[in-house]
Amino acid sequence: EAGVAQSPRYKIIEKRQSVAFWCNPISGHATLYWYQQILGQGPKLLIQFQNNGVVDDSQLPKDRFSAERLKGVDSTLKIQPAKLEDSAVYLCASSLSKRRTLYQETQYFGPGTRLLVL
Amino acid sequence: TQLLEQSPQFLSIQEGENLTVYCNSSSVFSSLQWYRQEPGEGPVLLVTVVTGGEVKKLKRLTFQFGDARKDSSLHITAAQPGDTGLYLCAGNGNQFYFGTGTSLTVIP
Repeated sequence: EAGVAQSPRYKIIEKRQSVAFWCNPISGHATLYWYQQILGQGPKLLIQFQNNGVVDDSQLPKDRFSAERLKGVDSTLKIQPAKLEDSAVYLCASSLSKRRTLYQETQYFGPGTRLLVL
Repeated sequence: TQLLEQSPQFLSIQEGENLTVYCNSSSVFSSLQWYRQEPGEGPVLLVTVVTGGEVKKLKRLTFQFGDARKDSSLHITAAQPGDTGLYLCAGNGNQFYFGTGTSLTVIP
């Protein structure tokens, strides 16, 4: 079974530029997550989709970050304009769940996109 | 905000030693998970604990969920170089949060 795919793997941009990341979850997984992981820290959830609807985007900096999952399959995360503090690894994960559950289902993570903002 | 503090932040030990990593919070979680992350890869789920006081074993790894479901520990017996990585706890409460992480290095 193919895992979660992400591209690009690395991206270097200058501050104030725009950048987009792409994620293709495991086939059949209804839930998709985007995380930001700053070096030396645990991942921080940015946004969670259930099919093509947003479940939780409370920690997404909406003035510069946006995400979409139009057809309920793959997803894009955009930063516009980027700041120095956005340098991090952006992880995408997916899980099978088709509804909210009391306990967290297994999330399968992609390898991440490492972003460096200069 | 439900913060999950892990300790220690960094740990470097010799092969064959035992170690314990702690994950603490002031909040109650309905479940708690432990992940291991290797450089350049995403986290991989090791275990999910749901019941207060629950103990789960995965080969040389023992996971315990606190009675009050606010804390957890991961104990590794006879650590091996392959255990090297970033260990993350993650709690499911009002929201889903990862802990601050423990970077483990096992020296051959």
